[in-house]
Amino acid sequence: QSALTQPRSVSGSPGQSVTMSCTGTSSDVGSYNYVSWYQQHPGKAPKLMIYDVSKRPSGVPNRFSGSKSGNTASLTISGLQAEDEADYYCCSYAGSYVVFGGGTKLTVL
Amino acid sequence: QVQLVQSGAEVKKPGASVKVSCKASGYTFTTYGISWVRQAPGQGLEWMGWISAYNGNTNYAQKLQGRVTMTTDTSTSTAYMELRSLRSDDTAVYYCARGTPSGIHLYWGQGTLVTVSS
Repeated sequence: QSALTQPRSVSGSPGQSVTMSCTGTSSDVGSYNYVSWYQQHPGKAPKLMIYDVSKRPSGVPNRFSGSKSGNTASLTISGLQAEDEADYYCCSYAGSYVVFGGGTKLTVL
Repeated sequence: QVQLVQSGAEVKKPGASVKVSCKASGYTFTTYGISWVRQAPGQGLEWMGWISAYNGNTNYAQKLQGRVTMTTDTSTSTAYMELRSLRSDDTAVYYCARGTPSGIHLYWGQGTLVTVSS
């Protein structure tokens, strides 16, 4: 049950777009369309931003979008805003368990 | 509105056990499962397991098998997570979340800090 691989950090300027990746294996990301993404600000509980690869819960801005190709899922944030600065975690179903990525720190320059 | 309220912070000695509670409100408890996720200081999220509030079925992370037990009390809409044989690397914030077995966690508790120290 190995963690999914995410880049440690990404950055972008306000208004720009950023994409962060989440690489798994054929046993998790590659096998199921059950990839979710969570945003976490310091000292706060995680917040669900994307589920089932590309669906947004009610209230999440459409600036956030998700996709998947093979064993790699991606989260794209367009029109970056200062409040998007946070840690982002991907998460995938793997048959009888769930695995998170190590997290990516997004810095808004 | 959906709320998950967890029990307070705990300090435990190595080898002891801890039991964290998570009281749900604002929805029919047995309609969804409860996941437990922990986060060591400065580290990422770690899925610990999931329990169905409908029938008590569980899935546990392999690394915690044998040390963790998740239960629910449908009469009080409360989920519990017990971790035994605590070690220093179990020091973490423990979260409960209303979740599906596939890892969709829409609502989260506020977190419970468990500190393991001699």
